[in-house]
Amino acid sequence: DAKTTQPTSMDCAEGRAANLPCNHSTISGNEYVYWYRQIHSQGPQYIIHGLKNNETNEMASLIITEDRKSSTLILPHATLRDTAVYYCIVRVLEGGYGGATNKLIFGTGTLLAVQP
Amino acid sequence: NAGVTQTPKFRVLKTGQSMTLLCAQDMNHEYMYWYRQDPGMGLRLIHYSVGEGTTAKGEVPDGYNVSRLKKQNFLLGLESAAPSQTSVYFCASRAGGAKEKLFFGSGTQLSVL
Repeated sequence: DAKTTQPTSMDCAEGRAANLPCNHSTISGNEYVYWYRQIHSQGPQYIIHGLKNNETNEMASLIITEDRKSSTLILPHATLRDTAVYYCIVRVLEGGYGGATNKLIFGTGTLLAVQP
Repeated sequence: NAGVTQTPKFRVLKTGQSMTLLCAQDMNHEYMYWYRQDPGMGLRLIHYSVGEGTTAKGEVPDGYNVSRLKKQNFLLGLESAAPSQTSVYFCASRAGGAKEKLFFGSGTQLSVL
């Protein structure tokens, strides 16, 4: 799996957009970008994923650069409940039964602190 | 649906004791994973399974064993617990398919004294 690089921490004012960057310069053409978040003491929660095109759902938007070497997760109107660690991971398409491509490797993520 | 259920939620062991953590999912998922999380660190993959009867090593497999005898259950065993295994353990599962997302349990806090 491609390695990802994220800032250790970020602040955001409540009600403003939170833009969380992720670098994945070694990403391969068949690797998806996934975002998860982990609120304190809870299990991680899926947010969104994408391959090439920008994606939007009820939680967030995902902007992937044309060369796919980086992406940005956007929380359009951050609230205090969005304070969490946000993980960006990339994952290849399944490579076969028991293959290494089925591992999902998390990094240390970005701690987003939403300030009142 | 209960999703992914981990038992127990908390456990304290003495060095050298053994125990088994149970992960159960009711979503008929093919893939299951065990992660550990230590303070200030991200999630590290211990072992995973791509289907009933199969297991594979992750990033930090030493000191742990796993079994997937039934599709819905993934067991993580510590044969001889060490203080370095004090951690929060998370189980996750997902369906087959390239775009399927992970569902996580609520975690098990394990302390080894």
